[in-house]
Parts: sequence; C-alpha cells; structure tokens
Amino acid sequence: GQNIDQPSEMTATEGAIVQINCTYQTSGFNGLFWYQQHAGEAPTFLSYNVLDGLEEKGRFSSFLSRSKGYSYLLLKELQMKDSASYLCAVVSNDYKLSFGAGTTVTVRA
Amino acid sequence: GAVVSQHPSWVICKSGTSVKIECRSLDFQATTMFWYRQFPKQSLMLMATSNEGSKATYEQGVEKDKFLINHASLTLSTLTVTSAHPEDSSFYICSARQPDRDYEQYFGPGTRLTVT
Repeated sequence: GQNIDQPSEMTATEGAIVQINCTYQTSGFNGLFWYQQHAGEAPTFLSYNVLDGLEEKGRFSSFLSRSKGYSYLLLKELQMKDSASYLCAVVSNDYKLSFGAGTTVTVRA
Repeated sequence: GAVVSQHPSWVICKSGTSVKIECRSLDFQATTMFWYRQFPKQSLMLMATSNEGSKATYEQGVEKDKFLINHASLTLSTLTVTSAHPEDSSFYICSARQPDRDYEQYFGPGTRLTVT
C-alpha cells in the first residue's frame, strides 16, 4: 500500500520562507511530484524528483532522500498568491500517482 | 503544449440520473488517462486508469458499473456517473500521460458535480 504524510496546514508571513515536509512509504518508487492547487482548480506541476538531492527552480526548491523516504518543498520569498494547497505525490511502478492529503499554506501580510 | 480539457466544468443533476464528463488531450496523444475524485479539503483519490482501446482498471472500492469509463480514442476519455446520488457530489479531475514523457501527468481543470 501507499502511505504519504504531510502537515495539514502551515502559516507564514509574506516574504518569509516555508518548508513543507513529506514522508512516504510506498510499494515501488519512480519519483516524487509536488503540485500546487488553488481551491476549485486542478493541480499544477511544481517539481519532480527521482534522484537524491535538491532541485531549485526560481523561488521553489524540492529535495528528495530516497533512503529516508523523505522530501520537502521549500518556498522562498513568499507572496500572497502562494496561498494554496501543496500536494506531495509519489509515482509507483505502474505510472500511478498516490497523493498525500495536501498542506494548506496561508500567507499573511 | 500538453493541455488537457474537461467538459463540463460544473454540472448539477438530480439524484438517479446519469452524467457524462469528457476529458480531452488537446495537443498530444494520450495513451493513458487517469480519473481522480477529490472531496472538500481532501486530496485526490485515483478512481481508475484508462488505456486507449482497452478496459479501464479500477482502484479498490470504486464501482466499475457505477463509474463507466470509455477511452475510445487517443485524445478522449469519458467518465459516466450512473444513477448519481448526493454522495457522488465531488470534484472530478482527469489527467493524461504522454507515452514518451516518463511519469508526468497533465491535469484537466476539473469538473464540479453536484447531485441534488
């Protein structure tokens, strides 16, 4: 089975940094995605990690440690528009995505 | 590129009726499409995997006779919710995978279904 855990909510101030952790225990692993989802909308792609290490893309970075079953998404220089739900998803051997419950990030002025 | 559309974006239907949701890949051929359901404040739950020209594979607990999936072409998959009930009210999202693009899935904008 698949078990993917991430915090349910986080709050941070505009301009600050927030780190969203994700731990997983899955049968089969072919990478980990991070998606952003605004209420009532479909998820949008943020990052994909399949090898250990840090992937940096503008204000967003994602880290993966396969041996620890752990990933994090780092959001820098937070903006109000970053208020959204962030979903951690693991790809299994058959291309299926298993999603965590999502972390709702609230950015305050 | 890699745009996926869904139609309708929202629908209200009466209990007992059936509703069809379309998922189209607009600028690529999708050999595999996925259907998800998302209840309020919850994450996406995979319902079924749809492969062009073959029967869909349903996840455990999803009734295949209630959620009919047809993947008739490389750019279109449909989900029909039959005999809908209020508990079927949810946000239905499809995604499509390009055969030569590893594991990335491209998501449609979702369909909000409300059953009264």
